Amino acid sequence: NAGVTQTPKFRVLKTGQSMTLLCAQDMNHEYMYWYRQDPGMGLRLIHYSVGEGTTAKGEVPDGYNVSRLKKQNFLLGLESAAPSQTSVYFCASSHTLAGQETQYFGPGTRLLVL
Amino acid sequence: EDKVVQSPLSLVVHEGDTVTLNCSYEVTNFRSLLWYKQEKKAPTFLFMLTSSGIEKKSGRLSSILDKKELFSILNITATQTGDSAIYLCAVLSGYALNFGKGTSLLVTP
Repeated sequence: NAGVTQTPKFRVLKTGQSMTLLCAQDMNHEYMYWYRQDPGMGLRLIHYSVGEGTTAKGEVPDGYNVSRLKKQNFLLGLESAAPSQTSVYFCASSHTLAGQETQYFGPGTRLLVL
Repeated sequence: EDKVVQSPLSLVVHEGDTVTLNCSYEVTNFRSLLWYKQEKKAPTFLFMLTSSGIEKKSGRLSSILDKKELFSILNITATQTGDSAIYLCAVLSGYALNFGKGTSLLVTP
């Protein structure tokens, strides 16, 4: 089992560019989540999905879009990157609702927007 | 608005000391509280607490939840340099976890 993997590990973007972060899990989990982590801010939920084909907004969804076309993948898109989106992005998944069992986190993607 | 507040935000101790980390919360529809340890990369799970007064233990770490006073503590006894990390508290309310800002712990030799 690879667990939760994220692609890419690191990326530099210019303001206005777009990109997609890929999260993949091989544990057949229903629930998947995207968080961002900024210094001194803990983790903040961007979007989440409770199953294939469904997505919902979290605490800080503005400027991001997501898709869950396949159960094992959860994509996070930035249509027009801004310096405020410089952050470390973590994907997570869980079999049941997070908090009823633990979430499994990916290794993170470090994004720098210039 | 749901809130999870951790204290202190940072802490420096000597090896062998005992530390207590605090997490207080105000959320609607509380379901559970989780503790994570984060070193250089992704958070790793420590404990999940759902019932008041029942201590969870793992080696030198222990945690307890007080649902009446709305807080939890994480204790680490006989600290080691390998305990240096950010400790995150998260509360499940609704569909997702609300994280606190974390406590940064540094254990010096």
